[in-house]
Amino acid sequence: AAGVIQSPRHLIKEKRETATLKCYPIPRHDTVYWYQQGPGQDPQFLISFYEKMQSDKGSIPDRFSAQQFSDYHSELNMSSLELGDSALYFCASSLPGTGGSSPLHFGNGTRLTVT
Amino acid sequence: AQKITQTQPGMFVQEKEAVTLDCTYDTSDPSYGLFWYKQPSSGEMIFLIYQGSYDQQNATEGRYSLNFQKARKSANLVISASQLGDSAMYFCAMIGDYKLSFGAGTTVTVRA
Repeated sequence: AAGVIQSPRHLIKEKRETATLKCYPIPRHDTVYWYQQGPGQDPQFLISFYEKMQSDKGSIPDRFSAQQFSDYHSELNMSSLELGDSALYFCASSLPGTGGSSPLHFGNGTRLTVT
Repeated sequence: AQKITQTQPGMFVQEKEAVTLDCTYDTSDPSYGLFWYKQPSSGEMIFLIYQGSYDQQNATEGRYSLNFQKARKSANLVISASQLGDSAMYFCAMIGDYKLSFGAGTTVTVRA
């Protein structure tokens, strides 16, 4: 079965650089979520999109932005990277109209290292 | 606001035995969903089981079962017949307002 695809799997950037993470949801999933997981921490919600519109916003820094495109894939853009941005970034998707009744399926994550 | 509490940072379990992972939650939403995810050392987040707030029966998925006690706001995960491959971090999570919130996680180590 198709899963959530994230690219790249690993990314190394220097401070003040920019990074773009990509997420391709499971087909027919129209809701996409982005999470950030620091070392030894639980995932923290960043932002979500439903039908290409932002549906909710969590602890996402102003240096980050995201969008969902017409084909439902999503990109997380990170600028002026800081050492503290080093983390595992997950994208997840879920079925249509599922405020609370369908699981989020996660991609394998992008491990970002800022040096 | 939602809050998920997992009070067990780590647990050891003998192979073939059962283990219960605790999870309590707090929410003012009448409709919510509870999930358990497994995160092995390789990092991926694997969905295990789901319980809806209006579900009358406890959810089961193979060796995983969810002990849902709505009045006590608890949703404990039971893993039966533990296997070495069950060693991982386990997260309890709740969805509400189109957002999934996670507990701090419990590390399970299965011993041979």
